[in-house]
Amino acid sequence: DTEVTQTPKHLVMGMTNKKSLKCEQHMGHRAMYWYKQKAKKPPELMFVYSYEKLSINESVPSRFSPECPNSSLLNLHLHALQPEDSALYLCASSRLGQGAGGYTFGSGTRLTVV
Amino acid sequence: AQSVTQPDIHITVSEGASLELRCNYSYGATPYLFWYVQSPGQGLQLLLKYFSGDTLVQGIKGFEAEFKRSQSSFNLRKPSVHWSDAAEYFCAVGAEKSSGDKLTFGTGTRLAVRP
Repeated sequence: DTEVTQTPKHLVMGMTNKKSLKCEQHMGHRAMYWYKQKAKKPPELMFVYSYEKLSINESVPSRFSPECPNSSLLNLHLHALQPEDSALYLCASSRLGQGAGGYTFGSGTRLTVV
Repeated sequence: AQSVTQPDIHITVSEGASLELRCNYSYGATPYLFWYVQSPGQGLQLLLKYFSGDTLVQGIKGFEAEFKRSQSSFNLRKPSVHWSDAAEYFCAVGAEKSSGDKLTFGTGTRLAVRP
């Protein structure tokens, strides 16, 4: 299995809703990432998990809450989002260490906040 | 701080023509360099990567890239473009770290292919 699977593919939520994005990989990768991508822009790093521990938080607002329950799963919990948070949310994974080989990306969750 | 510049926002080529997408990077040490492709509404797919060794790197879908340290460049090339190559292309630079590899992406080049 060489894929990163993200669910749901599309999500529409109100500003008072709580929802979660899910990401799963079975490649044995020990680093997992959340990126946010606005239209016609490059991906921007949000969080990095290394060995199931949060290692990088790029000053993301607390309305985004990541969770890594085990080495294969990564969640992003959403609460009280704003319309400007509408974007494509990409999950990725990678091995760690020398020559790890770059990321494998999921196909993303298209989030619309209304 | 690491950074990537893709000077061409949009490029149009005819099907069957050759292609070169430019990428310049800024990094304090030996960089790890990547090219990714993204079709509309999709995730990013790794085309090729450079870590060390041979400066001409072969990737998937007939793409290649050449690392030139003296020019801080990592340009992507393809000898004959197919209509299915129309997409957004991102160059990225990163560092291998034990705590996770932060990739910095360029702003992307959108490729259109004329029939």
